[in-house]
Amino acid sequence: QVQLVQSGAEVKKPGASVKLSCKASGYTFTNYAIHWVRQAPGQRLEWMGYINAAIGDTKYSQKFQGRVTITRDTSARTAYMELSSLRSEDTAVYYCAREVLRWFDPWGQGTLVTVSS
Amino acid sequence: EIVLTQSPATLSLSPGERATLSCRASQSVSDYLAWYQQKPGQAPRVLIYDASNRATGIPARFSGSGSGTDFTLTISSLEPEDFAVYYCQQRSIWLTFGGGTKVEIK
Repeated sequence: QVQLVQSGAEVKKPGASVKLSCKASGYTFTNYAIHWVRQAPGQRLEWMGYINAAIGDTKYSQKFQGRVTITRDTSARTAYMELSSLRSEDTAVYYCAREVLRWFDPWGQGTLVTVSS
Repeated sequence: EIVLTQSPATLSLSPGERATLSCRASQSVSDYLAWYQQKPGQAPRVLIYDASNRATGIPARFSGSGSGTDFTLTISSLEPEDFAVYYCQQRSIWLTFGGGTKVEIK
């Protein structure tokens, strides 16, 4: 079945960077875009950006522009999201999700990133 | 940025009752609106796409309606597993999510 499996939880210090992975299975990886969405504790879902898995083109939310980089490795069927200059407000669960036309299905299981000194 | 406003923030209902959730967009999103259900500790799951189409495997008690700026998700008769948080999402201009509606047991 179609599945996205994300890397494990991370604990980082303020100012550091984190790179998360999202491995796809059950479909042709290059046929769909992969998006990254985060959710801080008790907060709404927040879109960060996406990558066109076929050509590698990316688009980022203005809020994260300059701090986020999304890449992919087609041979590994994996997308990556790197967030730099971490601060405490970046503590959140980070999800990857496959875009099907204009909606997301499925989502990865989520990766908790904790930023703390 | 298109802002999606969901109401109410919390809906307290009993199993078997009808739930009506609202999502209002700050400008027209045509019918490029989806609804998701999220349970504690889980990733969101798509219920409705393009405003009114049920996703694969979603029970018929879930229905979506609306276009332009006003949208509704209706759960005709609440089952115990339906108590969760529901989000709307637009993909007309960039991508944004609403603030969510929590459907809780009364």
